[in-house]
Amino acid sequence: SQTIHQWPATLVQPVGSPLSLECTVEGTSNPNLYWYRQAAGRGLQLLFYSVGIGQISSEVPQNLSASRPQDRQFILSSKKLLLSDSGFYLCAWRNKGGFQPQHFGDGTRLSIL
Amino acid sequence: RKEVEQDPGPFNVPEGATVAFNCTYSNSASQSFFWYRQDCRKEPKLLMSVYSSGNEDGRFTAQLNRASQYISLLIRDSKLSDSATYLCVVHYTGTASKLTFGTGTRLQVTL
Repeated sequence: SQTIHQWPATLVQPVGSPLSLECTVEGTSNPNLYWYRQAAGRGLQLLFYSVGIGQISSEVPQNLSASRPQDRQFILSSKKLLLSDSGFYLCAWRNKGGFQPQHFGDGTRLSIL
Repeated sequence: RKEVEQDPGPFNVPEGATVAFNCTYSNSASQSFFWYRQDCRKEPKLLMSVYSSGNEDGRFTAQLNRASQYISLLIRDSKLSDSATYLCVVHYTGTASKLTFGTGTRLQVTL
């Protein structure tokens, strides 16, 4: 069966510090991968998605970036965090094709001080 | 108009009640539909897919109305553990890689 691992679960970072969140998927190959952010009490905001190694699509302009160095690895990064980067970050995967649901990792709760 | 719209609620219902949520979508090229459940401070989890003919999973029934462009979720015999936010999700054929999430309807089941 497929599993998704996302870490760390919580993170407290100072403003201006770098960020690296990692997500890996097991039990499937060539999935679509996604990074979302959810502010407290708000809906999901799609940040990036990837349909293959090295292929990244950005949904919103921001100081974040994403990379997919391996088929089942998706990394979210920032060189300098802003206060507004605080939130709940969720990685997700989905098999290609229609009628395929998306499956989420446990999420990372990021607080910027 | 938002691509996927939901009443944010909250819907406050007593245990044992039946409650229904609707979700409207704007793109008639929509291909597939899902309901997700999100508990407070947790990740969304797939509750059920929504099929054209409607489908049932225990106390949960999902319906699709393509003509009016909405999907619905019916919960019978509500339990305290059903308290959560329910997200409507739509996949458009023109966006092969992305699903569009509604902002959710909050349900609170009380004693």
